[in-house]
Amino acid sequence: SYELTQPPSVSVSPGQTARITCSGDKLGEKYICWSQQKPGQSPLLVIYEDRKRPSGIPERFSGSNSGNTATLTVSGTQAMDEADYYCQAWDSGTARWVFGGGTKLTVL
Amino acid sequence: EVQLVQSGAEMKKPGESLRISCKGSGYSFTNNWISWVRQMPGKGLEWMGRTDPSDSHTIYSPAFQGHVTISPDKSINTAYLQWSSLKASDTAMYFCARHRDNAFDIWGQGTMVTVAS
Repeated sequence: SYELTQPPSVSVSPGQTARITCSGDKLGEKYICWSQQKPGQSPLLVIYEDRKRPSGIPERFSGSNSGNTATLTVSGTQAMDEADYYCQAWDSGTARWVFGGGTKLTVL
Repeated sequence: EVQLVQSGAEMKKPGESLRISCKGSGYSFTNNWISWVRQMPGKGLEWMGRTDPSDSHTIYSPAFQGHVTISPDKSINTAYLQWSSLKASDTAMYFCARHRDNAFDIWGQGTMVTVAS
């Protein structure tokens, strides 16, 4: 079955750039999206189709996807960005959506 | 405002049946698929399956096939997730989400299901 692998945690200082990776076989051939989930809240889409931002999502969130790795980049990280982040992709081989295990972003 | 509003928290006993709901508003309900996602306590997101409200075509993750039923009712803009016989391991938060542009763009607020004797 298809798997997406994320680091369990990433730490960053306020104002610095955080990069969260998501790895999977030939991931660059699929569309990836990223969701943010804060404690006690439902997920919020922050990036779709690899690099597009939904309306209302700050420009400091950006995405890329190539080869076997997709990356969510948070530039000028703020305390409010502290959350769990999940990558997600559609696997046509098994006809199912797949989530990464999630990455806890800590803003120190 | 586009939103998905889910039914309230449930407490059930093992073996009981349950149906939870997800009502869409602010958009044409039949234009977008609806997925259900499970989140067990302290864990990540798991895709369960999705339904097409326009024709009721539904597909399931192999991990959930046969244990849950997902269905839409387009007459009342609502999607359902149901169990015929709950287990303690079904204790989790369940989210519905709308499909758009190869992503889940709108999420419901979640329904907590607790199964305990």
